[in-house]
Amino acid sequence: SQTIHQWPATLVQPVGSPLSLECTVEGTSNPNLYWYRQAAGRGLQLLFYSVGIGQISSEVPQNLSASRPQDRQFILSSKKLLLSDSGFYLCAWSRQEAGAFFGQGTRLTVV
Amino acid sequence: GENVEQHPSTLSVQEGDSAVIKCTYSDSASNYFPWYKQELGKGPQLIIDIRSNVGEKKDQRIAVTLNKTAKHFSLHITETQPEDSAVYFCAAKERDDKIIFGKGTRLHILP
Repeated sequence: SQTIHQWPATLVQPVGSPLSLECTVEGTSNPNLYWYRQAAGRGLQLLFYSVGIGQISSEVPQNLSASRPQDRQFILSSKKLLLSDSGFYLCAWSRQEAGAFFGQGTRLTVV
Repeated sequence: GENVEQHPSTLSVQEGDSAVIKCTYSDSASNYFPWYKQELGKGPQLIIDIRSNVGEKKDQRIAVTLNKTAKHFSLHITETQPEDSAVYFCAAKERDDKIIFGKGTRLHILP
């Protein structure tokens, strides 16, 4: 069966520090991968999605970037965090014409 | 791109009654519509889905309907129970595998 791992679960970072959140998927190959952010208003905002290694689509211009160095690894990064980057970050994977399965999320607080 | 609208934002129903959540989408090319349930502090969980070639799907107390002509789909929960209290999200998946979510409905089941 497929599983998705996302870490860390909680992170407190100072303004201006770098960020790296990692997500890995097991039990499938060539998945679609997604990063979402969920702010206090509970909506899920699509940040990045990837249909293959090195293929990243950015949905919202912002202070973040994503990379997919391996087939089942998706990384969300920032060089310098802003206060507005605080939120609940969710990684997900899917197959074509099927739903997405989410990790447990990372709660990021920028102080 | 796709835009998904979800209503209501909050819904309170008496235990045992039915709950209905409605969504509309804008991109007629979207072909897959999943629904998610999110409990506090956790990632969303896929609970039911429907593809564009189907009008209705049922799984025990949960059903989803799709009207492609009107571009709207709905989630129906019958015989609601306390454990149904959560935030529910609808979503639409485009042909390029991008998944766009509605803003969510907070469902309260009243004793």
